Amino acid sequence: GENVEQHPSTLSVQEGDSAVIKCTYSDSASNYFPWYKQELGKGPQLIIDIRSNVGEKKDQRIAVTLNKTAKHFSLHITETQPEDSAVYFCAASMESSGDKLTFGTGTRLAVRP
Amino acid sequence: GAVVSQHPSRVICKSGTSVKIECRSLDFQATTMFWYRQFPKQSLMLMATSNEGSKATYEQGVEKDKFLINHASLTLSTLTVTSAHPEDSSFYICSASSGGATGELFFGEGSRLTVL
Repeated sequence: GENVEQHPSTLSVQEGDSAVIKCTYSDSASNYFPWYKQELGKGPQLIIDIRSNVGEKKDQRIAVTLNKTAKHFSLHITETQPEDSAVYFCAASMESSGDKLTFGTGTRLAVRP
Repeated sequence: GAVVSQHPSRVICKSGTSVKIECRSLDFQATTMFWYRQFPKQSLMLMATSNEGSKATYEQGVEKDKFLINHASLTLSTLTVTSAHPEDSSFYICSASSGGATGELFFGEGSRLTVL
């Protein structure tokens, strides 16, 4: 089955700096890669996603890049703010699995004011 | 965006009792719902896939007789933890899909179960 690895496990940045979180996946059939933000005691919220026919996608301060050849994808947050502090999860799924997501291990991001 | 509601958000029960958690899609019909368990500071682990009108598909290592899943309608799936024990204490999260090609999953707010 699919295996998703995520790095780093913790990340601390100064407010205003950029944060980058990287994930790798094992199954070349995976074609959907969402990123979730989870605040303490809450469910995950989708912040951005990318499909295998696209190499990059941007939404304001958040961007995601995908390298299908290398089987890795990354989340980039620019101009970080304290409210960006949370745990971020990457995930991967394939159409044939019926939306079944495999999650990465999570990155705890702390943005220092 | 689409909303998935979970209830209760927190529940405390005695060891040996059963607890039911509901997951509802509020503004769309969910052909498939997923149940996850998350231990503190860990990732979400898929427990089972629930399809409306059919038996749930459980992941390896998840006891189907202990975690009963019912997806009786296109907007409601329930997870019942039977004969709960302290090791079942966890954060349980559901997600819902409207079906079709691989698409966005909408997550509930989670239910924290504490078994005394």
